[in-house]
Amino acid sequence: ELKVEQNPLFLSMQEGKNYTIYCNYSTTSDRLYWYRQDPGKSLESLFVLLSNGAVKQEGRLMASLDTKARLSTLHITAAVHDLSATYFCAGLPNSGYALNFGKGTSLLVTP
Amino acid sequence: EAGVAQSPRYKIIEKRQSVAFWCNPISGHATLYWYQQILGQGPKLLIQFQNNGVVDDSQLPKDRFSAERLKGVDSTLKIQPAKLEDSAVYLCASSPATGGKLFFGSGTQLSVL
Repeated sequence: ELKVEQNPLFLSMQEGKNYTIYCNYSTTSDRLYWYRQDPGKSLESLFVLLSNGAVKQEGRLMASLDTKARLSTLHITAAVHDLSATYFCAGLPNSGYALNFGKGTSLLVTP
Repeated sequence: EAGVAQSPRYKIIEKRQSVAFWCNPISGHATLYWYQQILGQGPKLLIQFQNNGVVDDSQLPKDRFSAERLKGVDSTLKIQPAKLEDSAVYLCASSPATGGKLFFGSGTQLSVL
């Protein structure tokens, strides 16, 4: 079974600062997803990372995947309040069919 | 493009009662998933359908949960009888193919008292 661990689970950061959320997974996976969830809302897809070394960027968020280290990162550049949300990473096991999610990182950006 | 539709949005029941949730996926999406999200945790897969066949239901508590996807489109998830620990948000998601990006519905928030 693919286990996904995120850290930190809670993150409070000031506007304008940079930070990285880490996502480690336990078994082979060549497909890693990042989702965003606002309070009371459903999950919104941010990035799909399909191969080793993949890097995707959208606005102030950049995601990368290292399949050899079984690690994905979500880097936040110059945070703004609108980025406050919970971020989930999810991996697709090579031998499986459905995504396994981490517990999520709850991000709060303060002035 | 219409998204994944779920109903009801909220449901409050007493333990030992029955409840059913409905999901209509994005048109043309062959794969449909039901996930359970307990407060403060990530979604956990309950069941996955490919068209109207079950691909994975290994984490579905089959003594009380059941799901079906008639004609490979809409799906219903039922809990009978409900327990307190079933309080959660039940998310339906669909994708064009197995392993593809998931599109989630708004979820049904279930409270079991």
